[in-house]
Amino acid sequence: DAKTTQPPSMDCAEGRAANLPCNHSTISGNEYVYWYRQIHSQGPQYIIHGLKNNETNEMASLIITEDRKSSTLILPHATLRDTAVYYCIGGYSSASKIIFGSGTRLSIRP
Amino acid sequence: EAGVVQSPRYKIIEKKQPVAFWCNPISGHNTLYWYLQNLGQGPELLIRYENEEAVDDSQLPKDRFSAERLKGVDSTLKIQPAELGDSAVYLCASSSPSGLADNEQFFGPGTRLTVL
Repeated sequence: DAKTTQPPSMDCAEGRAANLPCNHSTISGNEYVYWYRQIHSQGPQYIIHGLKNNETNEMASLIITEDRKSSTLILPHATLRDTAVYYCIGGYSSASKIIFGSGTRLSIRP
Repeated sequence: EAGVVQSPRYKIIEKKQPVAFWCNPISGHNTLYWYLQNLGQGPELLIRYENEEAVDDSQLPKDRFSAERLKGVDSTLKIQPAELGDSAVYLCASSSPSGLADNEQFFGPGTRLTVL
């Protein structure tokens, strides 16, 4: 599974877009990029995943660079409830072995 | 739909005592995972089951840790004897048939173990 690199922490003002970067320069051509988040005292929660194309769902958007070496998770209108640790993971399938790193701790400022 | 259920939520034991954690996955999910999460770190996979078969237990410390999923539904993770370094959160997750990128893992709330 691809190793990913994320900043340890970020902050964002409430109501603004939160852009969380992830580097995955060793990702292989058929490995997906998955994003999970973990709110304090809860288990991780799936957010979104993608392979080559940009993806959007009700929670977030995922922008993957053309060379697939990096991606950005976008929370369009951050709220206090988005305060969490966000994990970027590379893997062939979310249902197979995935390796969590240390993630990015996102703090939302009121 | 009920999520992944884990019990107990919290457990405090003295070192050298045994401890067991229980997990009931989402109905119909044949893949079950146990993770260990130390403070400030991401979850680390201990073992993965496909139905009742352990298909990946390479990270399970087999000298003191054991797990079972006898009927391919709920699962138990045991530590015997517990050590101080085992203090952590133990997470259970489940997913529907493997091999498909869309099959996200659903996590339970975890069991926080404190070994004194």
